[in-house]
Amino acid sequence: KAGVTQTPRYLIKTRGQQVTLSCSPISGHRSVSWYQQTPGQGLQFLFEYFSETQRNKGNFPGRFSGRQFSNSRSEMNVSTLELGDSALYLCASRPRQGAFSEKLFFGSGTQLSVL
Amino acid sequence: SQQGEEDPQALSIQEGENATMNCSYKTSINNLQWYRQNSGRGLVHLILIRSNEREKHSGRLRVTLDTSKKSSSLLITASRAADTASYFCATWSGNTGKLIFGQGTTLQVKP
Repeated sequence: KAGVTQTPRYLIKTRGQQVTLSCSPISGHRSVSWYQQTPGQGLQFLFEYFSETQRNKGNFPGRFSGRQFSNSRSEMNVSTLELGDSALYLCASRPRQGAFSEKLFFGSGTQLSVL
Repeated sequence: SQQGEEDPQALSIQEGENATMNCSYKTSINNLQWYRQNSGRGLVHLILIRSNEREKHSGRLRVTLDTSKKSSSLLITASRAADTASYFCATWSGNTGKLIFGQGTTLQVKP
């Protein structure tokens, strides 16, 4: 089975622009979640999608949004980029939502730099 | 705030030595997980220990859990240069679908 695939691997944007990141989960996995990783704040939960619906959301401003498609692929969008949005964005999948005995399978991440 | 706090923040050892990392958490848990991250890459799941377990082994990894102290430790025996990475403990936050990570321990294994 192929792992979690994130594209692109690297992105450079300027302040005020918007960006869309893509994530393809492991085949058969229906839950996709997104995390932001920065040196200062560590790993922080952004949101989780299951069956094309956002099920849970972290403490991030409305500039951060996402969606999930019927094939479970997910996209994350950040509008009006700020310098502080520079981070490694990680996508993770698991077979289903709500089973807390499960582990997450992570992609390699998208490194976003905002100039 | 982060659920888990890890100690030490950084650890440097020679190949062949053992590495021990500690993690503390704040609330009751169903299980605790450990992940590894190579520089700038995604996280890889290492091991999961349930709240009713005290110790678990997987290859060169040994994890202990003390729910009375709300702490866990990860021991890597006979370390190799390839073990150089950051290690994170993580717990599920109730029913929020959120996995809460500690700040991580950066391990350097010198050849």
